[in-house]
Amino acid sequence: QQQVKQSPQSLIVQKGGISIINCAYENTAFDYFPWYQQFPGKGPALLIAIRPDVSEKKEGRFTISFNKSAKQFSLHIMDSQPGDSATYFCAASTQGGSEKLVFGKGTKLTVNP
Amino acid sequence: DADVTQTPRNRITKTGKRIMLECSQTKGHDRMYWYRQDPGLGLRLIYYSFDVKDINKGEISDGYSVSRQAQAKFSLSLESAIPNQTALYFCATSDLGTLQRDTQYFGPGTRLTVL
Repeated sequence: QQQVKQSPQSLIVQKGGISIINCAYENTAFDYFPWYQQFPGKGPALLIAIRPDVSEKKEGRFTISFNKSAKQFSLHIMDSQPGDSATYFCAASTQGGSEKLVFGKGTKLTVNP
Repeated sequence: DADVTQTPRNRITKTGKRIMLECSQTKGHDRMYWYRQDPGLGLRLIYYSFDVKDINKGEISDGYSVSRQAQAKFSLSLESAIPNQTALYFCATSDLGTLQRDTQYFGPGTRLTVL
């Protein structure tokens, strides 16, 4: 059972455009939602994260929008650059002794020059 | 980032062979993880360990075993490799980072091919 559904699987955006990746979850116990960024040949690295007590978090050109009632959250990349080309994973976890992250299947973003 | 290292980085083996993937970390973290990445399937948790005496199965542990030799070392073994275990394998460590929640730090990965 896939607990975090991510879409689209791949995304092509022109330089300067907005990239939007969406994730949905079913488990209402999830209370931490990070996004990881993976460049080719590298391991994933934490990009930005949000808790459900806020609806939006912005760090530079990256913004997480969170809709608790819809059980959805999304990553927006403003002014997308070729250097943003990577695979992006959303994830979720619950607080407690076993804080295992549940990952989405990933979105391969390509930003064309 | 050399804080989490994996050896080997690439490995080709044959069906039925036993193989070990090794992970070392200098971050001083107690928690360590092994993931498998397949195209279109994302990251799936194989095993995880919250300290030296703690080993837990993840989502897809069948066909794999692990050993936590020390706080800094966590090895993944394939007892009898099969072709559908061909994948990219990642080791990760974690601590309470941003928002005081589990932040995972991944190694560079091991690309395993089973012929």
